[in-house]
Amino acid sequence: RKEVEQDPGPFNVPEGATVAFNCTYSNSASQSFFWYRQDCRKEPKLLMSVYSSGNEDGRFTAQLNRASQYISLLIRDSKLSDSATYLCVVSLPGFQKLVFGTGTRLLVSP
Amino acid sequence: EPEVTQTPSHQVTQMGQEVILRCVPISNHLYFYWYRQILGQKVEFLVSFYNNEISEKSEIFDDQFSVERPDGSNFTLKIRSTKLEDSAMYFCASSADRGGRNSPLHFGNGTRLTVT
Repeated sequence: RKEVEQDPGPFNVPEGATVAFNCTYSNSASQSFFWYRQDCRKEPKLLMSVYSSGNEDGRFTAQLNRASQYISLLIRDSKLSDSATYLCVVSLPGFQKLVFGTGTRLLVSP
Repeated sequence: EPEVTQTPSHQVTQMGQEVILRCVPISNHLYFYWYRQILGQKVEFLVSFYNNEISEKSEIFDDQFSVERPDGSNFTLKIRSTKLEDSAMYFCASSADRGGRNSPLHFGNGTRLTVT
């Protein structure tokens, strides 16, 4: 089983749509959880950390289910500029190493 | 906003040559990392560095690789004898603390290494 698993997509959505991405992780000892965004051939950029109680940042909402080892990201009112690859990332005990999923590609069209 | 800077942005080298990739982490950060991403694949951890020593490394980080913080600002990755499969984007990152959710990693814009 992959350490962090994501649907690679692509997800093609129109502007204004709501889209949700899911991610599962295999190591139950994983301690911190993140969503990063990566544009084509660019560096990963932190979108948001994911808290156990769930958290929201503007149009973005992240949820964590530790029992199911499942993380989600919801994007409301999609913008053209949201087109990117969304990386689910977990850190293992000690925080020294981040484990990345392969990413889910989102394409928002006019 | 302070950022991690990497040079060069693109490095082309011949198989068997040594390369040094350079990074300037964010100035008050204490933890430094190298990751790589082969084209079309996921980002992979190589090594973490703290207090002038390697704190963790992956199985990718074999004897051909080394890291150094030669002065107070630079953090380098050396590949001693490059192989074709070393072709990838190499990302440097830094964090203020151990990299948990209150101290996330900040990535540089990467060095694309092409080994011919």
